[in-house]
Amino acid sequence: QKEVEQDPGPLSVPEGAIVSLNCTYSNSAFQYFMWYRQYSRKGPELLMYTYSSGNKEDGRFTAQVDKSSKYISLFIRDSQPSDSATYLCAMSLRDDKIIFGKGTRLHILP
Amino acid sequence: SAVISQKPSRDICQRGTSLTIQCQVDSQVTMMFWYRQQPGQSLTLIATANQGSEATYESGFVIDKFPISRPNLTFSTLTVSNMSPEDSSIYLCSAPLLAGATDTQYFGPGTRLTVL
Repeated sequence: QKEVEQDPGPLSVPEGAIVSLNCTYSNSAFQYFMWYRQYSRKGPELLMYTYSSGNKEDGRFTAQVDKSSKYISLFIRDSQPSDSATYLCAMSLRDDKIIFGKGTRLHILP
Repeated sequence: SAVISQKPSRDICQRGTSLTIQCQVDSQVTMMFWYRQQPGQSLTLIATANQGSEATYESGFVIDKFPISRPNLTFSTLTVSNMSPEDSSIYLCSAPLLAGATDTQYFGPGTRLTVL
């Protein structure tokens, strides 16, 4: 079993829809959870960062962590064509290397 | 947030040659990281570059193939040596968001390498 599992997509949704992106993980010791957004031909951009179970909101983005189920999600409200990118989940132990998911390619259709 | 730049942004190289990628951070950081992102794959950590000490390589990566320099707290280089087509990839450097913490990192724009 891989440490981090993420559906590669592609995921296509109409503009304005709510997008749900998910990852599962196997190491219950992970403490830090991140979402990165990567546009084509660009480096990953840190989008959300959290270390506790529950929800963290930032504008149209909500990161959700369920440590009991070893499951994290990123929700995007009122999706825009500019949200079209690859979204990578990532997690780590404290002061340890980051483990990335493979990324989900998201297409927002105008 | 840290601003990270990389040079070159892309290159096309011949088999058997070497390429050195430069990474510049706009603030002093103790640790810098080098990743590889192959097409359709996730980011794979190559090595951790600490200023003033030897780089620490991950399993499957060796210093002879990927020598790293870290001359100061804002700069690092990664060399891809004796290249083969299998080395075609995007190479990314990163640095931590918080001083001394590796759990969040900012990334450079990447270097897209094609080996013929």
